Amino acid sequence: GAGVSQSPSNKVTEKGKDVELRCDPISGHTALYWYRQSLGQGLEFLIYFQGNSAPDKSGLPSDRFSAERTGGSVSTLTIQRTQQEDSAVYLCASSLTPRDQPGELFFGEGSRLTVL
Amino acid sequence: AQTVTQSQPEMSVQEAETVTLSCTYDTSESDYYLFWYKQPPSRQMILVIRQEAYKQQNATENRFSVNFQKAAKSFSLKISDSQLGDAAMYFCAYSYGGATNKLIFGTGTLLAVQP
Repeated sequence: GAGVSQSPSNKVTEKGKDVELRCDPISGHTALYWYRQSLGQGLEFLIYFQGNSAPDKSGLPSDRFSAERTGGSVSTLTIQRTQQEDSAVYLCASSLTPRDQPGELFFGEGSRLTVL
Repeated sequence: AQTVTQSQPEMSVQEAETVTLSCTYDTSESDYYLFWYKQPPSRQMILVIRQEAYKQQNATENRFSVNFQKAAKSFSLKISDSQLGDAAMYFCAYSYGGATNKLIFGTGTLLAVQP
């Protein structure tokens, strides 16, 4: 597609439920990132994919959070047993090989998660 | 660990005037990259400008320019001839490059443009 696409745009769930957030990166972008943006906070790095592997998952806050990427394209971020503190906007970004374009990430519009 | 600090949570500027957003960072690396990203109400982050640390010349992109002070670890963004469309949250970000493009962001500055 022309840009990074994320779905759903908004998700309201009850505490304890599992949620899946989807990211469809720009075609040809090998690198994919998940960030979390909480109210009044900056962007918190969660995980980085190069192709289908995740060499850096250091930002995942707990084992309730997991992510996968298949076919070097679509990625899914899964949050199990959601808690109210998980409420945030989850942003996905993609880029060409980091060596080619240092720091130039293309972001989606994010998925706003609200946990009641 | 690298950190990025934006000490101005909110700023306001009159249309057509100039405004400067501040950013400081901390790193022990000698080669790295600094960025300003803009996040309008639509939430989609857009790269505004990039600075390579090894370049002494300050980056410029049309009405946007930076003042990069490597020794002081300061990286401010100047917006000239401010327009209503410049109203957004602005994030300063750092990357050491390397094998990933992982960006470390500041907490942002919300810029309002008054007509």
